Amino acid sequence: NAGVTQTPKFRVLKTGQSMTLLCAQDMNHEYMYWYRQDPGMGLRLIHYSVGEGTTAKGEVPDGYNVSRLKKQNFLLGLESAAPSQTSVYFCASTTAGGYTFGSGTRLTVV
Amino acid sequence: AQSVTQLDSQVPVFEEAPVELRCNYSSSVSVYLFWYVQYPNQGLQLLLKYLSGSTLVKGINGFEAEFNKSQTSFHLRKPSVHISDTAEYFCAVSEGSNDYKLSFGAGTTVTVRA
Repeated sequence: NAGVTQTPKFRVLKTGQSMTLLCAQDMNHEYMYWYRQDPGMGLRLIHYSVGEGTTAKGEVPDGYNVSRLKKQNFLLGLESAAPSQTSVYFCASTTAGGYTFGSGTRLTVV
Repeated sequence: AQSVTQLDSQVPVFEEAPVELRCNYSSSVSVYLFWYVQYPNQGLQLLLKYLSGSTLVKGINGFEAEFNKSQTSFHLRKPSVHISDTAEYFCAVSEGSNDYKLSFGAGTTVTVRA
């Protein structure tokens, strides 16, 4: 089925470890986004991309990096994980008005 | 930056009663408006969206919302709720001129009681 696929679905990290979350879409969407969801705060934009090879900062970019080497993939990296990065991460893509979300990655940093 | 305010964080309601979830946004330009629902431990599901045209938008599961440009509001309503409507609801806004970034409200938790 067409859509947005996030991997992994769950992960537990120790403080200071690094990891990469992968978002893949097969709808040829130009725009892709990474959000984090925390209780009582809704979803906040971390980074986003308006096309292959581009990235831009969102509302809460500190501690994260992203790359969009291929149009269909948008990677979110944590170089040195901190407990404050414990959250649920959602990827989304759009082609102007119709958003598709992934099922989320639940990350716990201990 | 775009701001989205959901005026109620918690809404308890009895089964078969009506419910209204309020959403206001700050923008003076053309916007796209969305309501999403999230059931426990699940992802986001689109309930409805306003892109243009009629200001009354009908969505899935009997929900509807009305876009009021002068009041910059997009309130969600359902005339008769079911136990299965217990979930968290998010209002979201994007601007085409702003890279289509979605800004979300903090969410409203709806608890339906028998």
